[in-house]
Order: sequence, then structure tokens, then C-alpha cells
Amino acid sequence: AQKITQTQPGMFVQEKEAVTLDCTYDTSDPSYGLFWYKQPSSGEMIFLIYQGSYDQQNATEGRYSLNFQKARKSANLVISASQLGDSAMYFCAMRETNTGFQKLVFGTGTRLLVSP
Amino acid sequence: EAGVTQSPTHLIKTRGQQATLRCSPISGHTSVYWYQQALGLGLQFLLWYDEGEERNRGNFPPRFSGRQFPNYSSELNVNALELEDSALYLCASSLMGLRAGTDTQYFGPGTRLTVL
Repeated sequence: AQKITQTQPGMFVQEKEAVTLDCTYDTSDPSYGLFWYKQPSSGEMIFLIYQGSYDQQNATEGRYSLNFQKARKSANLVISASQLGDSAMYFCAMRETNTGFQKLVFGTGTRLLVSP
Repeated sequence: EAGVTQSPTHLIKTRGQQATLRCSPISGHTSVYWYQQALGLGLQFLLWYDEGEERNRGNFPPRFSGRQFPNYSSELNVNALELEDSALYLCASSLMGLRAGTDTQYFGPGTRLTVL
């Protein structure tokens, strides 16, 4: 069964610094997709970045990049030049594609606090 | 372009009552997903609807049910409410659902259900 592990309950970073949020996954399916979402205190889940298991390059979206290490089954999110508005919960999620089911399995999340 | 919308924002019910939560997907999206985010339990997949049909269901009792309308909006019904049903219910939509290998899910702001 697929599983997502986020081992950092909380992370602190100063404004303008870079931060890495860890995510490891477990699946026996060779085809899968990995997602990162941000959840501010308002509750809405905001899609940040996606990485497919067969993608050759690490995904990047603006200040977000995904450090994808397939052999280690890790998909860490790197946020460069942190901003105060980055303070939120961050969830890593996975979807196995071969089952045909579109459900996402989420990790427990990491709370990021950006200080001035 | 409008995002996923959900109503109501908050809902307060008593044990044994029924709750109805509504979701409108992003225009053009045909798949709708429901997730429950309860304290201490994380984000759990509830239901997936695509083209009006229920395609997959998570590990929830039958008193959690729903439907998808011809305009692709969706309704989640929770019967015989229990205290542990108190949670944030998030709806997401995606463009292609069944027809995609991996399809990004975009979430709405959620409905916070409180059962007294």
C-alpha cells in the first residue's frame, strides 16, 4: 500500500532564507505522481508542484522546486527566498497511476513558520 | 477563472442529524473528490465522482454518500451524524479524471462541520 512520510512536524526559517521540507514515500507501483500542497490557516489546500515518476528533470515552479531522488524514494520540497506569507502547513501527497484510481494519499504535514 | 467553491463555510449539527455539503468544480473539470481532514487523523480520501458516477470510495461507512450532478457539481451527505464526524471537508476537482494518468486536483476552501 502506498504511504507518505513527513518526519518534520515543524520547521522554522528566517525570511529570505531557503528551507527544505522532507517527504519520503513507499509504493510498489512503478508509475506514480507526487504533489505538494500548501494549507494556510484559512484551510484551503493550494497546489504547489507536481513530479511524475518518469520525469527526467526535477520539477520547478517559481520559488518552489522538488528534489526528487527516486532510488531513495524521496521528494523534498525546497522553498527559496522564504517570505512571511509562506507560513503554513505543507503536505506531500502521492497518487499511484496504474490502479486507475485518482485518490491522493497525504502525509501528516509540516508546519512552516517564517520569521522576519 | 473561478476556483472550486464549497458551501456552506461552516455547518453546526447535532448527533443523529444529517448534513449536506455542496461543491462546484472549476469550470471544465469533470472529476470531483471529497476528503475529510479531522484533527489527529490527517487528510483522508472519501469519494471520487467522474462523469456523474461514483468511481472510488475510501474507508468510510455507508452513511457517507454523495452524488454528482449533470453540471458536475457535487453533494456530500452524511447521515446519522456522530461526534467524530466533526472535521474540515475538502472538495477538489480535476480536469480529466478517468482519462488521465495523473491529474492535478485543485481544492476548495472547505466546509467545517461541527457535530454537537
